[in-house]
Amino acid sequence: RKEVEQDPGPFNVPEGATVAFNCTYSNSASQSFFWYRQDCRKEPKLLMSVYSSGNEDGRFTAQLNRASQYISLLIRDSKLSDSATYLCVVNIPHSNDYKLSFGAGTTVTVRA
Amino acid sequence: NAGVTQTPKFRILKIGQSMTLQCAQDMNHNYMYWYRQDPGMGLKLIYYSVGAGITDKGEVPNGYNVSRSTTEDFPLRLELAAPSQTSVYFCASSYSLGNTIYFGEGSWLTVV
Repeated sequence: RKEVEQDPGPFNVPEGATVAFNCTYSNSASQSFFWYRQDCRKEPKLLMSVYSSGNEDGRFTAQLNRASQYISLLIRDSKLSDSATYLCVVNIPHSNDYKLSFGAGTTVTVRA
Repeated sequence: NAGVTQTPKFRILKIGQSMTLQCAQDMNHNYMYWYRQDPGMGLKLIYYSVGAGITDKGEVPNGYNVSRSTTEDFPLRLELAAPSQTSVYFCASSYSLGNTIYFGEGSWLTVV
């Protein structure tokens, strides 16, 4: 089983729509969770951290479900500029510390 | 506001040639990483470093070498380039393992 798995999509949605997608992780000892955004031919950039209680940043809402070992990202009122690949990132226990494990990404395309 | 700086941005190598990808960060991060990303795939960790003088292998270290003589610099050396090393390479840094990491803009390498 992969450490971090994402639905690759693509999710093709009209402007103004809501889109949501999940990411599952295999190690129950993981402590930190992030969503990164990667535009075509660009470097990944932190979108938001994911906290246990869930958190919101403008039109973006992230949730963590520890029991089922997944995190989710919801984008409300989609904009054309939201078109990107969204990477799920989870820290995994490694030796006496942690390492970050990246999902392969979920592609979102917002159309006019 | 430099963050993580990588050079070169683009390079074409012939099979068997060698080269060094340069990476520098100005955030005083102890942790630095090299990832590669193949088309449509997730990021794979090549090497990482937890501080000056300390390096360790990631998931895909074969064909690469690194050094970390200073906190700021973390060059990646490709010896005897092979077509399988055609990829986008991202250098990154973080305050600690398993926490938010910051990426350079990437280096596009083609081996022909």
